[in-house]
Amino acid sequence: DAGITQSPRYKITETGRQVTLMCHQTWSHSYMFWYRQDLGHGLRLIYYSAAADITDKGEVPDGYVVSRSKTENFPLTLESATRSQTSVYFCASRDLQGPSGNTIYFGEGSWLTVV
Amino acid sequence: QKEVEQDPGPLSVPEGAIVSLNCTYSNSAFQYFMWYRQYSRKGPELLMYTYSSGNKEDGRFTAQVDKSSKYISLFIRDSQPSDSATYLCAMLDTGNQFYFGTGTSLTVIP
Repeated sequence: DAGITQSPRYKITETGRQVTLMCHQTWSHSYMFWYRQDLGHGLRLIYYSAAADITDKGEVPDGYVVSRSKTENFPLTLESATRSQTSVYFCASRDLQGPSGNTIYFGEGSWLTVV
Repeated sequence: QKEVEQDPGPLSVPEGAIVSLNCTYSNSAFQYFMWYRQYSRKGPELLMYTYSSGNKEDGRFTAQVDKSSKYISLFIRDSQPSDSATYLCAMLDTGNQFYFGTGTSLTVIP
């Protein structure tokens, strides 16, 4: 099925470990995003990408790294996980064409717990 | 002050009730307005989007935008238990940045 696929859906890791959250979209949307969602804060933008090899920081980028070598993939890496990075992470994409070009579509989320 | 303010609720209504969900915003640059529904342990799902003041209807859902008051609403008619979810408002400014409300939790009681 077309859409955004995130993996893993659930992950428990230890403080200091490196973790990579994967995101794959089948729409060939140019824009992709990573958000984290926390109680009281709502959705906060971590990083976004306008196209392959183009990435930019969002509101809360510290401690995260992204890459986009292919249009369809946008992995998010926590280089050295901390407990404050315990959250649910959503990958999203945006199609600039057509009537829905001003909306974004979300994946199912990756629940990350850092212990 | 946040760019987008949304009452977190929780909101609890009996089945069949009309539900009104609201967001206010402060930035006149917001041009496009969206509502998302998020079920527990799921990603936000786009419900409706609009770019102009006025009403837009889709089945039991009506999105209303009042740009002069910087106020948007989502109305749900004949609410069903399956409408129980968190509803997020979202806005896009002229600089192509998205802004989200923190969500309103809705429970529809059978």
